[in-house]
Amino acid sequence: AQSVTQLGSHVSVSEGALVLLRCNYSSSVPPYLFWYVQYPNQGLQLLLKYTSAATLVKGINDFEAEFKKSETSFHLTKPSAHMSDAAEYFCAVSRYNNNDMRFGAGTRLTVKP
Amino acid sequence: EAQVTQNPRYLITVTGKKLTVTCSQNMNHEYMSWYRQDPGLGLRQIYYSMNVEVTDKGDVPEGYKVSRKEKRNFPLILESPSPNQTSLYFCASSPWPQAKSYEQYFGPGTRLTVT
Repeated sequence: AQSVTQLGSHVSVSEGALVLLRCNYSSSVPPYLFWYVQYPNQGLQLLLKYTSAATLVKGINDFEAEFKKSETSFHLTKPSAHMSDAAEYFCAVSRYNNNDMRFGAGTRLTVKP
Repeated sequence: EAQVTQNPRYLITVTGKKLTVTCSQNMNHEYMSWYRQDPGLGLRQIYYSMNVEVTDKGDVPEGYKVSRKEKRNFPLILESPSPNQTSLYFCASSPWPQAKSYEQYFGPGTRLTVT
């Protein structure tokens, strides 16, 4: 079965600094990987997804993630943090022909002025 | 607007009093699911449904029931709620398997407190 580990339950950055949220996955078959964002009192919104077409995936709000098979990682980055990026971020994994989506525990991002 | 809706958004109830949380999607998706979100645990799947009248257990089904009598609706039923079911609940739907697209679209959540 597939699983996801998010390193760091809390990450704090200054406005304008690089955002790096870490995600490692475990899957016995080629995975489909996702990053979701949850703003306070809202549902989860899809940021980006990896479906094997390209290893560098661009998402909304200038977020991107790179699939590295050798490291079983799918880290989320953004070059310059904005106050509005403060939220909780979830990494998730599914596999081909099966929509059994597994989520990491989440990383709460704080952006300091 | 394509969306998943849930009602109610907030619910406080007492132990043992049956309740239903409704979920509806307008995207004609066959796949729907329910999750609960607890601090430090991420989202865990309760039940899912591949189509009308087809449902199956997820990772944490104990104490919950579901039904899928119409494609758009997927209610979550707690026959006898207990305090350990206090949580934030999300309904989701997915274009899979109609489309080879595995992302799920989430409702706004229902915060349930059982006293």
